[in-house]
Amino acid sequence: DADVTQTPRNRITKTGKRIMLECSQTKGHDRMYWYRQDPGLGLRLIYYSFDVKDINKGEISDGYSVSRQAQAKFSLSLESAIPNQTALYFCATRPFGGQGRRISEKLFFGSGTQLSVL
Amino acid sequence: AQSVTQLDSQVPVFEEAPVELRCNYSSSVSVYLFWYVQYPNQGLQLLLKYLSGSTLVKGINGFEAEFNKSQTSFHLRKPSVHISDTAEYFCAVTPQGGSARQLTFGSGTQLTVLP
Repeated sequence: DADVTQTPRNRITKTGKRIMLECSQTKGHDRMYWYRQDPGLGLRLIYYSFDVKDINKGEISDGYSVSRQAQAKFSLSLESAIPNQTALYFCATRPFGGQGRRISEKLFFGSGTQLSVL
Repeated sequence: AQSVTQLDSQVPVFEEAPVELRCNYSSSVSVYLFWYVQYPNQGLQLLLKYLSGSTLVKGINGFEAEFNKSQTSFHLRKPSVHISDTAEYFCAVTPQGGSARQLTFGSGTQLTVLP
């Protein structure tokens, strides 16, 4: 089983609909991240969370919201989907180094959710 | 702030040939550098990283990269590619002592290995 699981794998929806993308992890990591990937633009950070009570906006948070239901679960919502939110969405996790110690920035990614907004 | 430029969006190469994927970065502070690989229908996986020390970094699957501070580059190389190396490759940078939320990704290079 995958360590970082994203559901659904693919989703097609209409403009104005509310959509939730889910991410769960079995790695026991504190840090969780949501990215979107657009062709020719690489990955851009939407939101990130250091623990259940610590959620932060990333580079492109407008139009998105998140919920950290538990250490292992981090959901991304589009309250009213629009066509330019069509993209490949990735969830990623990373362990905390502890006591302020910086560790190498290895992220563990899920397989992605391809979202199409018509 | 930092930025990453991957100079080639697509690189086709024949099997067993050498390959170099180019990455240049811009930053006002010292950085950590990474290469991630994305195989079809999978998430990104860390290929290799440069944090400090030797400027030649070896990663998984026979890949290596060389950090060149004067040229602000971190090019990825493999002396002989296989069909299974077909994937998209992303260069990424973060300030030293920074965190994953400060990670900036390049736009990616699609490596296609031809038989």
